[in-house]
Amino acid sequence: LAKTTQPISMDSYEGQEVNITCSHNNIATNDYITWYQQFPSQGPRFIIQGYKTKVTNEVASLFIPADRKSSTLSLPRVSLSDTAVYYCLVGVGNRDDKIIFGKGTRLHILP
Amino acid sequence: KAGVTQTPRYLIKTRGQQVTLSCSPISGHRSVSWYQQTPGQGLQFLFEYFSETQRNKGNFPGRFSGRQFSNSRSEMNVSTLELGDSALYLCASRSDPGTGSSEQYFGPGTRLTVT
Repeated sequence: LAKTTQPISMDSYEGQEVNITCSHNNIATNDYITWYQQFPSQGPRFIIQGYKTKVTNEVASLFIPADRKSSTLSLPRVSLSDTAVYYCLVGVGNRDDKIIFGKGTRLHILP
Repeated sequence: KAGVTQTPRYLIKTRGQQVTLSCSPISGHRSVSWYQQTPGQGLQFLFEYFSETQRNKGNFPGRFSGRQFSNSRSEMNVSTLELGDSALYLCASRSDPGTGSSEQYFGPGTRLTVT
């Protein structure tokens, strides 16, 4: 299971675009990159997943360079309600791998 | 499609007691994972069940156990409760482990308080 590294915390302002980058140097060929969002006292919520290039949905965009050793979650025009912890996960290559969450990035949106 | 449900949502127990938490996955999902979340340790993996078999286990003592039924519903049990077991217990389901994807869906959690 590929290890991921992401910033511990980030601050931004309402209305701005926020980019959170995750490093995953040991990503395996068949691994996907998945991002979750978690609010206090709630379970994480799946927000986006990708394998290569760019993926966009109604919530976010995910940019993955050709070497797939990193990825960037982009949140357009954030609001106060986007204040949450964002987790980047990579995997799982086979059925025996566990889905392990790291510390995530604590995003704080300021008015 | 209904999401992942967990019961009960809140629970208060006394040290030394045992507790059973229940999780119903999304219809069609055969994998259920359990996590413990505390402010100090973050989100920690407990175990995963797939087709009634435990596939993976985290680094928790044997007091933590689980099982999965033929309808994919899962229960986890904690015996001889300790104060440190106070946490939010989360259940997550996914359709098919081993696809290279970490996509899974979480329930609202059970908040366990041990006094």
